[in-house]
Amino acid sequence: AQKITQTQPGMFVQEKEAVTLDCTYDTSDPSYGLFWYKQPSSGEMIFLIYQGSYDQQNATEGRYSLNFQKARKSANLVISASQLGDSAMYFCAIDIGEKLTFGTGTRLTIIP
Amino acid sequence: KAGVTQTPRYLIKTRGQQVTLSCSPISGHRSVSWYQQTPGQGLQFLFEYFSETQRNKGNFPGRFSGRQFSNSRSEMNVSTLELGDSALYLCASSLGVGTFNTGELFFGEGSRLTVL
Repeated sequence: AQKITQTQPGMFVQEKEAVTLDCTYDTSDPSYGLFWYKQPSSGEMIFLIYQGSYDQQNATEGRYSLNFQKARKSANLVISASQLGDSAMYFCAIDIGEKLTFGTGTRLTIIP
Repeated sequence: KAGVTQTPRYLIKTRGQQVTLSCSPISGHRSVSWYQQTPGQGLQFLFEYFSETQRNKGNFPGRFSGRQFSNSRSEMNVSTLELGDSALYLCASSLGVGTFNTGELFFGEGSRLTVL
């Protein structure tokens, strides 16, 4: 069975600094997708970025980039120039066959 | 285009009652999946429907059921509610052709159920 690990339960980062949220995964399936979602206090899961296992380049979406190291089974999220509105829970998830397995999340707090 | 719509957003029930939650996917999406989020267990997969057929099911008791209609809208039902069913129930929609190929998987705002 696949597994997702987020080792940072909470992080505090100064506004405008870059932040890296860690995510490692474990699967024997060669085809999978990796997602990052942001969940503010309202509860909605906001899609941030996606990386397919066969994608050659690291995914980027605006201030978000995914540092994908396939051999290490690592998919860290990098947020550049953090903003106060980035404060939220962040979840990494792996998708195999339309079924997401989520990590336990990292609570990110941006300090003004 | 409109996002994933879940109704109701909030509801309160008592033990033993049953509840039905609704999810309307993004237009053109044919797959709907449901997740339960609790402080203790985190986010857990409930089930996934594609073209009115359940394709995947998580490790939940039979009190949890769902269905999908021909217009791709989905409902999930929880019967004989227990206190532990209090959770945020999230619905996600996707094209259904294999999200690891497309990355198209979007969530609604969730239905927050409180069981008293």
